Amino acid sequence: DVGMTQSPLSLPVTLGQPASISCRSSQSLVHSDGNTYLNWFQQRPGQSPRRLIYMVSNRDSGVPDRFTGSGSGTDFTLRISRVEAEDVGVYYCMQYTQWPHTFGQGTKLEIK
Amino acid sequence: EVQLVESGGGLARPGEFLRLSCAASGITFSISWMGWVRQAPGKGLEWVATTNPDGNQKAYVDSVKGRFTISRDNTKNSVYLQMKSLTTEDTAVYYCVSGAHWGRGALVTVSS
Repeated sequence: DVGMTQSPLSLPVTLGQPASISCRSSQSLVHSDGNTYLNWFQQRPGQSPRRLIYMVSNRDSGVPDRFTGSGSGTDFTLRISRVEAEDVGVYYCMQYTQWPHTFGQGTKLEIK
Repeated sequence: EVQLVESGGGLARPGEFLRLSCAASGITFSISWMGWVRQAPGKGLEWVATTNPDGNQKAYVDSVKGRFTISRDNTKNSVYLQMKSLTTEDTAVYYCVSGAHWGRGALVTVSS
């Protein structure tokens, strides 16, 4: 299985400041079709996960442009340009290049 | 508006059987890949099973192979997860997922 390792696991951030979450895979996520299947999800307290980013850098409809996904191969990053109170929750990366799809451990973002 | 509504969760004893259902609306179900993701209490996300639009391709995480079966009925816009030989390790909220869309989840508790 493809291992997904996120860091940090806990991320205290001051409102209005940037935040960055790293996700590293144990194997390249480049599919034989040339695409890289890496998503980012946000799970607010008490809610279902919500997809923010698909295929590394494509923002889902309704996702604020302060969220940006980047990376390639085995190294990926989710950046929030200016953290707002509504961004509190747990963030997960997930690969679906190979079966079984696998998630990172989650990064808990909180406001300082 | 897209809705994925899970049902069928509840309490089961170890070794017993449960069947989850997910009714989809607002998506073109017959061309949609569907999956189930679970989240044990206080834990991260685990992709359990997925099926292609025709229902003739299915994949499972190793921990449920031979015990869980994913199926779908495109005439009813529904996907199912049959779970047998349940163990306490299967206790989790089970989410129905399609692309960016997640249901609210169904709680499955396995306890003697």
